[in-house]
Amino acid sequence: TQLLEQSPQFLSIQEGENLTVYCNSSSVFSSLQWYRQEPGEGPVLLVTVVTGGEVKKLKRLTFQFGDARKDSSLHITAAQPGDTGLYLCAGAKGTYKYIFGTGTRLKVLA
Amino acid sequence: IAGITQAPTSQILAAGRRMTLRCTQDMRHNAMYWYRQDLGLGLRLIHYSNTAGTTGKGEVPDGYSVSRANTDDFPLTLASAVPSQTSVYFCASSDQGGAGTGELFFGEGSRLTVL
Repeated sequence: TQLLEQSPQFLSIQEGENLTVYCNSSSVFSSLQWYRQEPGEGPVLLVTVVTGGEVKKLKRLTFQFGDARKDSSLHITAAQPGDTGLYLCAGAKGTYKYIFGTGTRLKVLA
Repeated sequence: IAGITQAPTSQILAAGRRMTLRCTQDMRHNAMYWYRQDLGLGLRLIHYSNTAGTTGKGEVPDGYSVSRANTDDFPLTLASAVPSQTSVYFCASSDQGGAGTGELFFGEGSRLTVL
């Protein structure tokens, strides 16, 4: 059983559409991170959220940490083909133990 | 800047053989990690190390062992490989971050196929 479940697992949308990816757990995390992974490469950090209810914006990407620090969401506005990739959430259990979600594979069509 | 270097990039291995995946970092990070990535399961933590000389078990440690003799190296060993260990393995390191806020830096992965 995965500690962190992401939905949807796959998403194919047209350029310009909006989308939201969810990361859910029954466990509390000290922080929550979002990574993006390109084929043949390792994941790269997009953002870290620490406080329950925290919202961070990175250009067209908006990240939110749930009030209870058990879940998070990633919203992309006006998606572009360059947003295509595998999006992974990761929850921190303590200082050094990072547990990843199941991943959401996004494809944005031009 | 090398960051995290993994070797080999790809390997095909007969079941029952012993295999060590190598990982070296040049960022002087305290913490290092091994993950395996399988389709639909994201990244699953195998083992981790908070600092040289210490290691800990992750979500899926069975069949794997690690050592951390120094800060830079964190090898992962499969004592007797089985087909279910076919996967892409990622090594990562992180800087000191409070409450798990340190960024994870990943290598490019080692693709292992066990026949």
